[in-house]
Amino acid sequence: GIQVEQSPPDLILQEGANSTLRCNFSDSVNNLQWFHQNPWGQLINLFYIPSGTKQNGRLSATTVATERYSLLYISSSQTTDSGVYFCAVDTGRRALTFGSGTRLQVQP
Amino acid sequence: DAMVIQNPRYQVTQFGKPVTLSCSQTLNHNVMYWYQQKSSQAPKLLFHYYDKDFNNEADTPDNFQSRRPNTSFCFLDIRSPGLGDAAMYLCATSRDAAGGEQYFGPGTRLTVT
Repeated sequence: GIQVEQSPPDLILQEGANSTLRCNFSDSVNNLQWFHQNPWGQLINLFYIPSGTKQNGRLSATTVATERYSLLYISSSQTTDSGVYFCAVDTGRRALTFGSGTRLQVQP
Repeated sequence: DAMVIQNPRYQVTQFGKPVTLSCSQTLNHNVMYWYQQKSSQAPKLLFHYYDKDFNNEADTPDNFQSRRPNTSFCFLDIRSPGLGDAAMYLCATSRDAAGGEQYFGPGTRLTVT
């Protein structure tokens, strides 16, 4: 099956800093989503981005499908950005395969 | 607001005692999914329904079953929970076929004593 790798596994930032999270995948995908899992366990949709670039406030994402990677940018980080960020892909099976996540801690 | 709802949010059951988790959605989506997430791991798909068509993942244990009586509701039945089944169970929906954006409920955290 498809392999999804995320880096870095852990990231500690000071409030106000910027960061880039990376997701590499081993095969062509129909769907790529970025999620934020909050401390209560809920997965919150950030982006549905099989290709191209999207922006939503302080967050933006870029997927380069031909090179099989996606990037999530977080600018001016806040303590509420803390949690685990997952990249997940679908190869056409109607099922998402998740990466192992990046655990982000933003310190005040 | 349209959403995915899971009940209960926390469930405690005894070793070997059957338990049912429920999920409902107001999005009118065709596809409903159940994922299992153990501590510090990524969610793992157990099975999904595309309308009434049930699709089981090859490595989902027989101990896990699912029912979808109508478009809005989907249930996860664990016939004989073991200690290793303690996890967060996440329900998700998507509008239609492959490639669709998935929306997740808040999850049910299952404890097995």
